[in-house]
Amino acid sequence: NAGVTQTPKFQVLKTGQSMTLQCAQDMNHNSMYWYRQDPGMGLRLIYYSASEGTTDKGEVPNGYNVSRLNKREFSLRLESAAPSQTSVYFCASSDLSETQYFGPGTRLLVL
Amino acid sequence: QQQVKQSPQSLIVQKGGISIINCAYENTAFDYFPWYQQFPGKGPALLIAIRPDVSEKKEGRFTISFNKSAKQFSLHIMDSQPGDSATYFCAARITDSWGKFQFGAGTQVVVTP
Repeated sequence: NAGVTQTPKFQVLKTGQSMTLQCAQDMNHNSMYWYRQDPGMGLRLIYYSASEGTTDKGEVPNGYNVSRLNKREFSLRLESAAPSQTSVYFCASSDLSETQYFGPGTRLLVL
Repeated sequence: QQQVKQSPQSLIVQKGGISIINCAYENTAFDYFPWYQQFPGKGPALLIAIRPDVSEKKEGRFTISFNKSAKQFSLHIMDSQPGDSATYFCAARITDSWGKFQFGAGTQVVVTP
């Protein structure tokens, strides 16, 4: 039981490059989330998926797209990376018990 | 805009002392208030949580106090230990939102030996 896994752990991009952050959970949770964490800003919701087949915008969705591939997997795509997207990205999942389970994070540096 | 305001930004406490972190929320219907603990290089993990119909919840050395009328809640860490050194986030779930949370900015706690 791995919980929530994220790949890659660390990535360096040049401005304008694209990439996809992968997330998978093995807890059979319906809801999945993508957050970004910046110093002094806490965790800010980028996108979330309440259930398979649905996605919705969070607080800071601009510059990102998501895909809920199936119940297990929820990916985050940066189409054209910008330095402002340098951050630590966390994926999380939850069930109706309200607890969010977070992955280990992806550290992204955009030059 | 941050609807959950957390203070202080950082805190240094001696071993055995009490750490107190405060959060206040504004004008949005929230129905569940968790606290998360995050160690360096790791993802946040749920520490303790409270619902607004309860004024206090205690789990071991960790206690949440909740004041619904003042829209404030706080985390108390009693008998603080060096292993408690971490960043703590308060959060609030938006009512009827399928699990959307607003997080505070975080408090870095350092417990000195």
